[in-house]
Amino acid sequence: KQEVTQIPAALSVPEGENLVLNCSFTDSAIYNLQWFRQDPGKGLTSLLLIQSSQREQTSGRLNASLDKSSGRSTLYIAASQPGDSATYLCAVEGNTPLVFGKGTRLSVIA
Amino acid sequence: DAGVTQSPTHLIKTRGQHVTLRCSPISGHKSVSWYQQVLGQGPQFIFQYYEKEERGRGNFPDRFSARQFPNYSSELNVNALLLGDSALYLCASSLGDSSNEKLFFGSGTQLSVL
Repeated sequence: KQEVTQIPAALSVPEGENLVLNCSFTDSAIYNLQWFRQDPGKGLTSLLLIQSSQREQTSGRLNASLDKSSGRSTLYIAASQPGDSATYLCAVEGNTPLVFGKGTRLSVIA
Repeated sequence: DAGVTQSPTHLIKTRGQHVTLRCSPISGHKSVSWYQQVLGQGPQFIFQYYEKEERGRGNFPDRFSARQFPNYSSELNVNALLLGDSALYLCASSLGDSSNEKLFFGSGTQLSVL
């Protein structure tokens, strides 16, 4: 059974800092790994999708890496802004539909 | 273009009642998935429908059912509500049902069972 773990559960940083969010998964037989953003009480917004054959994806200030063999992914956020404050969720798709982690709650302090 | 729309946005029910949640996918999307998100947890997969057929079902009791209509909109039904069914119910749509499809989520229906 696939399990996804995200560390840390919560993170508070000053504006402008670069930061890394971590995600690990137990079954390396995946099709892809996705990072989502969720604002309080809202739905999810897809940030990046990394296919199993890829090592990383970039979008603006976001960079996500995937090491399938070790079951790990990182989301790097450069020059953080208060508007980045949200919960970031990692999810993997394999033989089962998306399995999500519990998320990392990020607060960027101005 | 409209995104994924869900109705209602909030709902309060009592134990034992029945509830129907609705979802309209992005125009042109033929796949709809439902997720349950309990406070403090990640979303958990309930159902996927594609071209009106069930393509996947998560580990939920038979009290949960869903269907997809010819216009690709979808309903999630929950019977005999329990307190533990209180959660944010999310609908997501995608063009097809293959892997590596990007999912687009609605804002969800917040269900409270008293």
